[in-house]
Amino acid sequence: DGGITQSPKYLFRKEGQNVTLSCEQNLNHDAMYWYRQDPGQGLRLIYYSQIVNDFQKGDIAEGYSVSREKKESFPLTVTSAQKNPTAFYLCASSTSGRVFLNEQFFGPGTRLTVL
Amino acid sequence: GESVGLHLPTLSVQEGDNSIINCAYSNSASDYFIWYKQESGKGPQFIIDIRSNMDKRQGQRVTVLLNKTVKHLSLQIAATQPGDSAVYFCAENRAGATNKLIFGTGTLLAVQP
Repeated sequence: DGGITQSPKYLFRKEGQNVTLSCEQNLNHDAMYWYRQDPGQGLRLIYYSQIVNDFQKGDIAEGYSVSREKKESFPLTVTSAQKNPTAFYLCASSTSGRVFLNEQFFGPGTRLTVL
Repeated sequence: GESVGLHLPTLSVQEGDNSIINCAYSNSASDYFIWYKQESGKGPQFIIDIRSNMDKRQGQRVTVLLNKTVKHLSLQIAATQPGDSAVYFCAENRAGATNKLIFGTGTLLAVQP
């Protein structure tokens, strides 16, 4: 099946630790995105990548880092500098970086809890 | 600041009735809008989209209406079914910001049997 996978589904982290969330897609999409979702709020863009070896900060990039070494993979690292990391994290991909008429397909999400 | 928001955080409807979910946007430069459905614990799924040069677009059991005069977007679901229970988000793409979507906060649709 083609699609986007995120792992793990649930992740627990101690304060002060870095943690990396996985996102893989086999849709041959060029563009990939990371969003954060908090209760009562809309999705907020953390980072996005329009092509391999290139990525840009979104609206809330502080405390996060990404890499795009392969087309199918876009891992997100939540660093200890992120002050409030507990949230639901969603990865998405699309054919190209242009939103218009390029549907973003979302993964199932990873729920991160900082203990 | 500029944002996409929803009028009703929770909407409860009877099975078989029609549902209307509303969304207001503040940026008149937005030229493309999408509705997403998100079931509990899952990622959002695309439902329907509409360009700013259109007022109405229909899909299977869903219709999106766009009123640019008052910057209002709505999603109509006909003959609502229990499987329609989910959170619905609207999202806007601002002209010129070709690779970013701005999401609303979401409306929870609860379908009563």
